[in-house]
Amino acid sequence: DGGITQSPKYLFRKEGQNVTLSCEQNLNHDAMYWYRQDPGQGLRLIYYSQIVNDFQKGDIAEGYSVSREKKESFPLTVTSAQKNPTAFYLCASRAPAGANQPQHFGDGTRLSIL
Amino acid sequence: QQQVKQSPQSLIVQKGGISIINCAYENTAFDYFPWYQQFPGKGPALLIAIRPDVSEKKEGRFTISFNKSAKQFSLHIMDSQPGDSATYFCAASMFSGNTGKLIFGQGTTLQVKP
Repeated sequence: DGGITQSPKYLFRKEGQNVTLSCEQNLNHDAMYWYRQDPGQGLRLIYYSQIVNDFQKGDIAEGYSVSREKKESFPLTVTSAQKNPTAFYLCASRAPAGANQPQHFGDGTRLSIL
Repeated sequence: QQQVKQSPQSLIVQKGGISIINCAYENTAFDYFPWYQQFPGKGPALLIAIRPDVSEKKEGRFTISFNKSAKQFSLHIMDSQPGDSATYFCAASMFSGNTGKLIFGQGTTLQVKP
């Protein structure tokens, strides 16, 4: 089955530690996105990538970094500079513009501070 | 101008009743308005979407009503069922643009009582 796989499902971060969240898709989508979800707030865009080896900052990129070395993978690193990392992180992908397709989401990673 | 405002924040409906969630936007360049349904611990899943060239779209028990002049759109869930209990997000984007960035509302938690 085609879809988006996020791992791990739960992740704990110690003070001063960088952690990396995995996102893999087998939908052959070009565009991929990372969102952060906090209680009572909508999804906020962290980073997005429209093509391999290219990515752009979203609305809340500070304290995060990404890479896009392969079409199917878009890992997110939460750095120690992100002082409030506790949240539910969602990865999404979309077929190219003009393909008339919406964004599809993975089942998320919940990150907490130890 | 990039905001999408969603109301109410929470909603309780009796089984068989109609659930109504409203959203408003400012940016007239938006041309794609999806609704997502999210169950606890899962990623959002596309429920139904509309383009501004139609005023209403129905899929089963779910209907989007769209008022272009008022810059408002709403989701109606007819014959609401306990299985509809979830969080619902409206969103907006410039679908024909080359980024596919979605702007989400704050979300509505729906509880359908048996």
